[in-house]
Amino acid sequence: NAGVTQTPKFQVLKTGQSMTLQCAQDMNHEYMSWYRQDPGMGLRLIHYSVGAGITDQGEVPNGYNVSRSTTEDFPLRLLSAAPSQTSVYFCASTFDRFYGYTFGSGTRLTVV
Amino acid sequence: KNEVEQSPQNLTAQEGEFITINCSYSVGISALHWLQQHPGGGIVSLFMLSSGKKKHGRLIATINIQEKHSSLHITASHPRDSAVYICAVSETSGSRLTFGEGTQLTVNP
Repeated sequence: NAGVTQTPKFQVLKTGQSMTLQCAQDMNHEYMSWYRQDPGMGLRLIHYSVGAGITDQGEVPNGYNVSRSTTEDFPLRLLSAAPSQTSVYFCASTFDRFYGYTFGSGTRLTVV
Repeated sequence: KNEVEQSPQNLTAQEGEFITINCSYSVGISALHWLQQHPGGGIVSLFMLSSGKKKHGRLIATINIQEKHSSLHITASHPRDSAVYICAVSETSGSRLTFGEGTQLTVNP
């Protein structure tokens, strides 16, 4: 089925560990983005990409890294996990700002 | 002050009631989005508006660009409508989304 696929769905990390959250879409969307959702704060933009080879920072980029080598994939890397990065992470994609967004099912990350 | 404000934060209704959730924003936008999130679930796009009104089943979304305000209405509410409803705007400056904090809706049978 067409859509945005996020893996893993759940992850527990120890402080200082690194990991990559995967995001893939098969709709040929140019725009992809990563958000984190924390209680009482709404979703906040971490990083986004407007096409292969182009990425930019969002509202809360510190501690995260991204790359966009293909149109389909937009992985999010946690360089050295901290308890403050405990959150639910969503990936989303769209053709551009005049179209609706498709969201992945989310990754629930706990850093202990 | 947040760029996107939703009200109310929490809403409890009886089955069959007409429900309104409001969204105000303070930035220039190219579109406004209404999203739905069920408990423990993913996020689904309900509407994208740049003007006027859209209807899908029992859901109606309106936007007033001059007043920078949008409303989401649910007619004949049902317990399965219980979810968090999120307003988000695509700013004219780019493709990023800015979100409200969401409205937790509970519809009791």
